[in-house]
Amino acid sequence: NAGVMQNPRHLVRRRGQEARLRCSPVKGHSHVYWYRQLPEEGLKFMVYLQKENIIDESGMPKERFSAEFPKEGPSILRIQQVVRGDSAAYFCASSPLGDRNTEAFFGQGTRLTVV
Amino acid sequence: TQLLEQSPQFLSIQEGENLTVYCNSSSVFSSLQWYRQEPGEGPVLLVTVVTGGEVKKLKRLTFQFGDARKDSSLHITAAQPGDTGLYLCAGALETSGSRLTFGEGTQLTVNP
Repeated sequence: NAGVMQNPRHLVRRRGQEARLRCSPVKGHSHVYWYRQLPEEGLKFMVYLQKENIIDESGMPKERFSAEFPKEGPSILRIQQVVRGDSAAYFCASSPLGDRNTEAFFGQGTRLTVV
Repeated sequence: TQLLEQSPQFLSIQEGENLTVYCNSSSVFSSLQWYRQEPGEGPVLLVTVVTGGEVKKLKRLTFQFGDARKDSSLHITAAQPGDTGLYLCAGALETSGSRLTFGEGTQLTVNP
């Protein structure tokens, strides 16, 4: 998976709690993408960030979800007041460039379970 | 509505057989990528195709991008049990920047 590190690998939260998912991209990659994979479904785009900027958040729910990619440190996907429907695998991908033909490398994902 | 239709959804074959997985759309893609995903893991990139009509080979795997850049196929020759996994196609739409649109995947099982 070309060095994209996600943690934690597994996260269990009770309804109403907050979930924080971290993604460290491949060294030197400044473009980060978050995708969500619901059970029995394909991966769906959520948000695209470049250092300190949100470029495209068209796939992210308007409420409770936020993402950041600070100048220093990992990208964070934050889900407030989690509900059962948020249970899914969340994948981060990184690329060195943000153009359409650049390959994206995925992390191993964080599996969120809301109980 | 699924922008990228993958078929078949499930495929179970015997070792040594050949198979083809298809990825179709009515939209034009700037590039298309094929991934393989194991249970509990993230997608691992197999290949990227960017030119209409392009054919790429990776050992027993042959990838083709349609002339109009709306479809792609993955052909595996002499499948082995180690090829078992979920195969995903994903494309970057000309109108959607660099974010990827994924097909729903083909779950391949190769029986010894």
